[in-house]
Amino acid sequence: DADVTQTPRNRITKTGKRIMLECSQTKGHDRMYWYRQDPGLGLRLIYYSFDVKDINKGEISDGYSVSRQAQAKFSLSLESAIPNQTALYFCATSDPGLPPYEQYFGPGTRLTVT
Amino acid sequence: QQQVKQSPQSLIVQKGGISIINCAYENTAFDYFPWYQQFPGKGPALLIAIRPDVSEKKEGRFTISFNKSAKQFSLHIMDSQPGDSATYFCAARHSNNQGGKLIFGQGTELSVKP
Repeated sequence: DADVTQTPRNRITKTGKRIMLECSQTKGHDRMYWYRQDPGLGLRLIYYSFDVKDINKGEISDGYSVSRQAQAKFSLSLESAIPNQTALYFCATSDPGLPPYEQYFGPGTRLTVT
Repeated sequence: QQQVKQSPQSLIVQKGGISIINCAYENTAFDYFPWYQQFPGKGPALLIAIRPDVSEKKEGRFTISFNKSAKQFSLHIMDSQPGDSATYFCAARHSNNQGGKLIFGQGTELSVKP
């Protein structure tokens, strides 16, 4: 089974709808991240969490919110989706301990807002 | 503000050739520079990483060259193979850790022709 899973894998929604993307991990890591990927822009950090009680904004948090329900679960919500939120979304986890400080990514969710 | 700038955006190389992807950074407080590889339909995965106290790191056909004074680093793929066709991201991590955040470059789509 995959260590980092994301649901759904694909989603098409309409402008103004609320949508939630979910991430679960079995790696036992405290740190979790949400990124979006756009062609030519790379991976940009939306939110990150050190542990269940710690949530931090990334570089592009406007229009998004998150919830860390448990160590293993980190959800990303779009309260009112807009077309420019159409992108590939990735969840990642990391262990803060030792180099190479690797981040482990899920398979991604492709979101289309029409 | 793009703290890590990556080029080229796309690259086509013949099988057996050398693929070179370049990155430049601005913040001298970055202390760790990984490269991630992403195959279509998958999340990025750590490929190789370097710290700024060394000028080169080699793992198999993959080499990172690091120029601290120029604030540049590059990925060289020797004897490129069609299986290397993927998107490559350089990244940088701040020395104060900041939750293990990585700043990613824009990505390079590599295509190796048989």
